Amino acid sequence: AQSVTQLDSQVPVFEEAPVELRCNYSSSVSVYLFWYVQYPNQGLQLLLKYLSGSTLVKGINGFEAEFNKSQTSFHLRKPSVHISDTAEYFCAVSEAGGGNKLTFGTGTQLKVEL
Amino acid sequence: ETGVTQTPRHLVMGMTNKKSLKCEQHLGHNAMYWYKQSAKKPLELMFVYSLEERVENNSVPSRFSPECPNSSHLFLHLHTLQPEDSALYLCASAAELAGHYNEQFFGPGTRLTVL
Repeated sequence: AQSVTQLDSQVPVFEEAPVELRCNYSSSVSVYLFWYVQYPNQGLQLLLKYLSGSTLVKGINGFEAEFNKSQTSFHLRKPSVHISDTAEYFCAVSEAGGGNKLTFGTGTQLKVEL
Repeated sequence: ETGVTQTPRHLVMGMTNKKSLKCEQHLGHNAMYWYKQSAKKPLELMFVYSLEERVENNSVPSRFSPECPNSSHLFLHLHTLQPEDSALYLCASAAELAGHYNEQFFGPGTRLTVL
């Protein structure tokens, strides 16, 4: 079984500042890793995913994440945030090659302020 | 309509009511999912349907009853719910190929309040 830990429930940041949202996972098998974003009153949208290959993954809206197997982490970063990035961000993991069953973290609320 | 749609978007019901949530996907997918999203808790996978057959039921109480009449529609029938069932219920769909990752596309959710 897999588990995901998002230690930061809320991250406040000023506009144009960099941000990092932390995600750590636990699994006894190889995994796929994902970041989803949820804007108010909307469903989840896939930001980026790591399936294999390069450990640095680029996604939509200028976000990127780095898979670190030794630290079992998949932190999400953006060099300069915008007000429109205010949303809840979810890290998720699935067993590699094991279908689509996703295990989610509890989410991190990113609040971008002027 | 495009993507995954859910109706109603908001629902308030008493504990003795019977209601249904509807999900429709317009993506030609063959798998559909129900998730429960409660505040400060991870999304919980409730049910999975693949090719209209239920392939997963994660110990969900019987007061939740799913139905998948065809590959485009998914229902969640609710009866005698409890206040702790209040949550956002999300539907998702995917084009499942065995042994491959396939992205799940989510609907906007139904915000359910049980009084």
